[in-house]
Amino acid sequence: GAVVSQHPSRVICKSGTSVKIECRSLDFQATTMFWYRQFPKQSLMLMATSNEGSKATYEQGVEKDKFLINHASLTLSTLTVASAHPEDSSFYICSAREQGLNQPQHFGDGTRLSIL
Amino acid sequence: AQSVAQPEDQVNVAEGNPLTVKCTYSVSGNPYLFWYVQYPNRGLQFLLKYITGDNLVKGSYGFEAEFNKSQTSFHLKKPSALVSDSALYFCAVWSSGAGSYQLTFGKGTKLSVIP
Repeated sequence: GAVVSQHPSRVICKSGTSVKIECRSLDFQATTMFWYRQFPKQSLMLMATSNEGSKATYEQGVEKDKFLINHASLTLSTLTVASAHPEDSSFYICSAREQGLNQPQHFGDGTRLSIL
Repeated sequence: AQSVAQPEDQVNVAEGNPLTVKCTYSVSGNPYLFWYVQYPNRGLQFLLKYITGDNLVKGSYGFEAEFNKSQTSFHLKKPSALVSDSALYFCAVWSSGAGSYQLTFGKGTKLSVIP
């Protein structure tokens, strides 16, 4: 089945550090990738949708200068949390959809980000 | 606008008993419905989907779901629960009438299977 690889799985760093998270579709091409944030005991909150070769579309309330998304190829999207602060601590999950509107989204295993 | 409701925050069931996790949806066009499962500190795993065709959809790990258009429901079921089924379950919907490719997720239902 379709596999999405997300790295790193856990990051602990000091406030002010920029953190990059990678999301790769391993055995399929993903024209569209999605980045979510999940708070404890809550559902997924869509942060942005990224399309290969174009600028990401951010959801309302998500700072595009804080959460930088790059989708350079059909198999790789990156999320960079710029100058992270403790309130950015969360579980971040990426997702990629196989080509075709009725295809399911496949998810990475998530990145637990802890800012001290 | 599209929305998904999972009315139960938690479902408890004894091992070996049948389980049901409820989901209702609201969309403006034809619904594309999905169920995902999330284990602790992991991403979501795809279980099954309904696009068109038979209302009863079979998926991974013995799960199935029944699409009911009149009740706008897509409940997840399994005839005999296992302890290993304990996890967080998310229902999701996408509709061609939404104008975007985004899935809308329910808030999740925690399933606990008691040995």
